[in-house]
Amino acid sequence: GAGVSQSPSNKVTEKGKDVELRCDPISGHTALYWYRQSLGQGLEFLIYFQGNSAPDKSGLPSDRFSAERTGGSVSTLTIQRTQQEDSAVYLCASSKYRDYIYEQYFGPGTRLTVT
Amino acid sequence: GQQVMQIPQYQHVQEGEDFTTYCNSSTTLSNIQWYKQRPGGHPVFLIQLVKSGEVKKQKRLTFQFGEAKKNSSLHITATQTTDVGTYFCAGPGFGNEKLTFGTGTRLTIIP
Repeated sequence: GAGVSQSPSNKVTEKGKDVELRCDPISGHTALYWYRQSLGQGLEFLIYFQGNSAPDKSGLPSDRFSAERTGGSVSTLTIQRTQQEDSAVYLCASSKYRDYIYEQYFGPGTRLTVT
Repeated sequence: GQQVMQIPQYQHVQEGEDFTTYCNSSTTLSNIQWYKQRPGGHPVFLIQLVKSGEVKKQKRLTFQFGEAKKNSSLHITATQTTDVGTYFCAGPGFGNEKLTFGTGTRLTIIP
């Protein structure tokens, strides 16, 4: 079956421009997560959506970052006025509670380069 | 907030040697999950442990959850080149689905 998909796979943008990253979760998965991973580093939590609940935005690094999840499915992460330190791989994951397990399924990521 | 640390950060082993990574949480966890990320890839779920003191095995991999549910370990016996990657533990707090990922241990194998 289809996994989590993300687009674009690569994005090069100039400093100061806005970017939108898209995530299509696995159908039926109620939870959706965004993470950021800098080269050779760990996973930095950004934001978490669960069903119709208010999202957990506690990981967003600044007010330049925002995310939406429309209709409980597709999510868009928007970064305004990009800075060079925003360069990283942005990973999306979705999960569904089943058999007492909240396994997260990750997408391939979007590699963002800010020049 | 909850913090999850892993040691070591890096491990280089000869092929055939054993490998262990340790995971420690600042808070009690309802469960612990382990993920593997191959170079250039994305994290892939390996296993979840729920019970205090639980031990699970997957072929050459042995996973353990501590009695206090604040620490965990992953042990690989007789490493192979296919084991290369970064291993992350992750755990939610009680009543919270959101996972906090550990800092990861990067394993490299010397053939």
